[in-house]
Parts: sequence; structure tokens; C-alpha cells
Amino acid sequence: QVQLQESGPGLVKPSDTLSLTCAVSGYSISSDNWWGWIRQPPGKGLEWIGYIYYSGSTYYNPSLQSRVTMSVDTSKNQFSLKLRSVTAVDTAVYYCARGEYCTTTRCLFDPWGQGTLVTVSS
Amino acid sequence: DIVLTQTPLSLSVTPGQPASISCKSSQSLLHSNGKAYLYWYLQKPGQSPQVLIYEVSNRFSGVPDRFSGSGSGTDFTLKISRVEAEDVGVYYCMQGIQLPLTFGGGTKVEIK
Repeated sequence: QVQLQESGPGLVKPSDTLSLTCAVSGYSISSDNWWGWIRQPPGKGLEWIGYIYYSGSTYYNPSLQSRVTMSVDTSKNQFSLKLRSVTAVDTAVYYCARGEYCTTTRCLFDPWGQGTLVTVSS
Repeated sequence: DIVLTQTPLSLSVTPGQPASISCKSSQSLLHSNGKAYLYWYLQKPGQSPQVLIYEVSNRFSGVPDRFSGSGSGTDFTLKISRVEAEDVGVYYCMQGIQLPLTFGGGTKVEIK
């Protein structure tokens, strides 16, 4: 059974880089799937950040594209998110998820990790 | 970006009664292949979202048949035929016709 687990600092200073990793277990990250990141500000709705294929192909939300980098480490069966120059508006629960039936315009996310709260504050 | 508007914002339902959630899109979600790419997710309290419906009306693996999706073009509906206690949470629609992927604002369902 595939499981995803996010990890990374829970507190990041403004203007710093947010770095998160999603460890995948019970499934090979090199399988024919994409791997996504979605975030949810406290008490608010969901925002898609992007998704990445194990080969490194990526699709990012244009609103975040200038600050986001995603990568895959097949040797560790994990993928990562970096978000640069963060501000308070980047405070959110960050979820990683496996993407199914993904194309250049769509992706079904299942399952999701439990999520990790990242707070941007000095 | 495509804007998805969900109504109502919240819903209080008696167990065993039906419930319906609307999701209206600012643009058609119909692809040239004839499919519409509208998904429904449920976020139960304290949990991560889970997919219920894909491509408007297809129930995802393991989803009870009391959940059904319908609609076309810009208007879509999620229906629960008989609400159970385990159905509480926030329901989100999501579109997959155009990047960026966008979600509706959510509909909170609670039990009376």
C-alpha cells in the first residue's frame, strides 16, 4: 500500500527558502506516475503547486513558478519541493500526493500524505 | 485561471437524507475528446483530501455508491443519496481542463 510522508522545517523565516521532502513507501517513485504538491493555508481552501515526473519533467502553478523548484531522488524514493523568498502568505499545510492519469493539463491526486504545517515567521 | 464556485458554503443534513453540492466553472470543462475533467474530493476532519469522483461521474476505487456526480460544460453536481455520519467534512471540486489546476472554495457538510 502506497504511503507518502512529508518532512521538513515547520518554521521558516521570511525571505528564506522552504524545503520539504516527500518520502514514498510501498511504491516505486519511478513507476508511471507523477508526484504532486498541494497546499492549504490555515482555514482556507486548496492550492495546487505543481507536479513532477520521475524523469524530472515538471508543471508548476504560474503564480508560483518563479519561486518553485521540484525534484525527484529515485535512489531514495522521494521527491522534494523548494519555495524561495517566502512570506507570511506561504504559511500553509503542504501536502504531497501521487498523481494518476496526469497530462499536461490535469492530474488526479491519490493518495495524499498527511500534510505538514509550515509557518513563515521571524 | 478557471474559477470554480461551490454552493452552498455549508450544509447540515439529517442522516439518511440526501445532499447535493453544486460546482460552477467560469469556463467549460469539456475537452475536445468529449470528456469533462471535473473531480470531487472530500477532506474529512483532521485528514488529507481523498478523491471521490473523477471525470464528472466516475466513482474512484472504494467510494460508496451513495456518491454520484453529474453535469456538463460549466455546471456540475455531487450528490449523496443517503448521508451517513462518516460523510462529514469539506467537499472540494477541482478542474483538470487547464493549468493551473484549481479547486472550488469548498462545501462543509455536517450532520444534524
